[in-house]
Amino acid sequence: SQTIHQWPATLVQPVGSPLSLECTVEGTSNPNLYWYRQAAGRGLQLLFYSVGIGQISSEVPQNLSASRPQDRQFILSSKKLLLSDSGFYLCAWSSRQGSNQPQHFGDGTRLSIL
Amino acid sequence: AQKVTQAQTEISVVEKEDVTLDCVYETRDTTYYLFWYKQPPSGELVFLIRRNSFDEQNEISGRYSWNFQKSTSSFNFTITASQVVDSAVYFCALSARGSARQLTFGSGTQLTVLP
Repeated sequence: SQTIHQWPATLVQPVGSPLSLECTVEGTSNPNLYWYRQAAGRGLQLLFYSVGIGQISSEVPQNLSASRPQDRQFILSSKKLLLSDSGFYLCAWSSRQGSNQPQHFGDGTRLSIL
Repeated sequence: AQKVTQAQTEISVVEKEDVTLDCVYETRDTTYYLFWYKQPPSGELVFLIRRNSFDEQNEISGRYSWNFQKSTSSFNFTITASQVVDSAVYFCALSARGSARQLTFGSGTQLTVLP
């Protein structure tokens, strides 16, 4: 069966520090991969998605970036964190087989910026 | 453009009551897919159901049921005989044909089931 792993589960970082959140998927090949952010108000905001290695689409302008160095690995990064980057970050994957495949989410990373 | 509206921000019910969570969507696509997700306090999003736009049959799974009505662009979710463990934020989402099968989420409904 397929599983998705995100780490770390929680992170406290000072303003201006770098960030690297990692997400890996097991049990499937060529997945679509996604990074979402959920601010305190509960809404989910799509940050990045990827349909293949090295293929990243950004949904909103920001100081974050994403990379997909391997088929089942998706990394969210920042060179300098802002206070506004605080939130709950969720990674998700979906199968490419058909347009009706649901997205499956990791457990998330709670990021606090001090 | 796609949009999903969950007008109910918060709902509180007493255990064993039935509760319906509303979801209204907008899309210009004729083929689309609707989803419900549950987010318990632990934070992970749990996939509950998927419905295709060309299948308007309602679905029941245990205490959960879903009412899809294209005429009103609604995809409502009913929990029968609610339990405390049902307390969570519930998200409705829409996906239309397009690259990467992106999901448009509603803002979520916080359901609290009181003992």
